[in-house]
Amino acid sequence: AQTVTQSQPEMSVQEAETVTLSCTYDTSESDYYLFWYKQPPSRQMILVIRQEAYKQQNATENRFSVNFQKAAKSFSLKISDSQLGDAAMYFCAYRSPNFGNEKLTFGTGTRLTIIP
Amino acid sequence: DAGVTQSPTHLIKTRGQQVTLRCSPKSGHDTVSWYQQALGQGPQFIFQYYEEEERQRGNFPDRFSGHQFPNYSSELNVNALLLGDSALYLCASSFKGGRDEQFFGPGTRLTVL
Repeated sequence: AQTVTQSQPEMSVQEAETVTLSCTYDTSESDYYLFWYKQPPSRQMILVIRQEAYKQQNATENRFSVNFQKAAKSFSLKISDSQLGDAAMYFCAYRSPNFGNEKLTFGTGTRLTIIP
Repeated sequence: DAGVTQSPTHLIKTRGQQVTLRCSPKSGHDTVSWYQQALGQGPQFIFQYYEEEERQRGNFPDRFSGHQFPNYSSELNVNALLLGDSALYLCASSFKGGRDEQFFGPGTRLTVL
């Protein structure tokens, strides 16, 4: 079974600065998908960024980028130019590529606070 | 374009009671997945419905059951409620089983007293 670990329960960053959230995972599969989801106080999970394991290039979405280290099973999220609206819980998630096994396995989350 | 909707928003029940939560998927989606998120935890997968069948199930007891209707909407039923069932229940919809992005609803907050 796959597991996802987020070792930082809370992080804080000054507005306009850069912050990195950590995530490690364990799997025996060679191909898979990794995600970062954001959950603001409104509770609705929003997809921030996704990475396919077979792609060596790190995914980027505007101010959000990942550092995907397949051998180390590490998948960190970097947020550049932090904004007040980035304050939320951030969850790392894993998904198998196999049809019929599309469940998401989540970590325990990191609460990000933005300091004005 | 309406996203994923869930009802009710909040619910308070007593131990031993039964509850039904509802989810309407995003337009064009045919797959619904349910997750339980306890306070301070990440979501845990309950089950997924596709083509009106339960096609994958997480580590939850049989007290948790579901249904998917021909219009792709879904219900989650929980019988014999326990205090530990208090959580945020999230519904996510996707197309053809969830190989693409899963879109989440705002959740239903269930409190069991």
